[in-house]
Amino acid sequence: AQTVTQSQPEMSVQEAETVTLSCTYDTSENNYYLFWYKQPPSRQMILVIRQEAYKQQNATENRFSVNFQKAAKSFSLKISDSQLGDTAMYFCAFTLNAGNNRKLIWGLGTSLAVNP
Amino acid sequence: NAGVTQTPKFQVLKTGQSMTLQCAQDMNHNSMYWYRQDPGMGLRLIYYSASEGTTDKGEVPNGYNVSRLNKREFSLRLESAAPSQTSVYFCASGGLVASGGGPQYFGPGTRLTVT
Repeated sequence: AQTVTQSQPEMSVQEAETVTLSCTYDTSENNYYLFWYKQPPSRQMILVIRQEAYKQQNATENRFSVNFQKAAKSFSLKISDSQLGDTAMYFCAFTLNAGNNRKLIWGLGTSLAVNP
Repeated sequence: NAGVTQTPKFQVLKTGQSMTLQCAQDMNHNSMYWYRQDPGMGLRLIYYSASEGTTDKGEVPNGYNVSRLNKREFSLRLESAAPSQTSVYFCASGGLVASGGGPQYFGPGTRLTVT
């Protein structure tokens, strides 16, 4: 069975600094996708970034980037130049690339506080 | 393009009452999902629908039923609400893209309290 582990329940960072959130996963499959979602206090679940397992290049989206280590089954999220609006819960999620269904396996989340 | 919409945003029920949560998406996705989110437990899948006309149980289906009314709409019904069903409910949809996979997009959530 696939699992996703986020080992940091809470983190904090000063505004304008860089922070890295950890995620590890377990699967015996080779073809899958990984995602980071952000959930601010508004509760809206927002897709931050995605990574296809077959791509070696790490995904980036503006200030957000990932460090994808397939052999180590690690998928960390780096937030550069942190902003107050980055304060949120961050969830790592995994899905197999199989068929028409995209069931997501979720980590329990990391609560990030950006301090002024 | 509204994405995924859910109604209602808030609801208070008494134990034993029934209600239906509505969800609609305008992104032409095949798959739709219902999750519940509880403190410290992340998101748990209740039911999903891989395509119009099909539904399947997720991790926590007991006490719920679903209907995939058409490609756009996927409703979640609580037949006899219990306090254990107090939670925030999210609907999501996702579809295939050219590379074969894709993320899920979420509605704004429904906060349900059962007293």
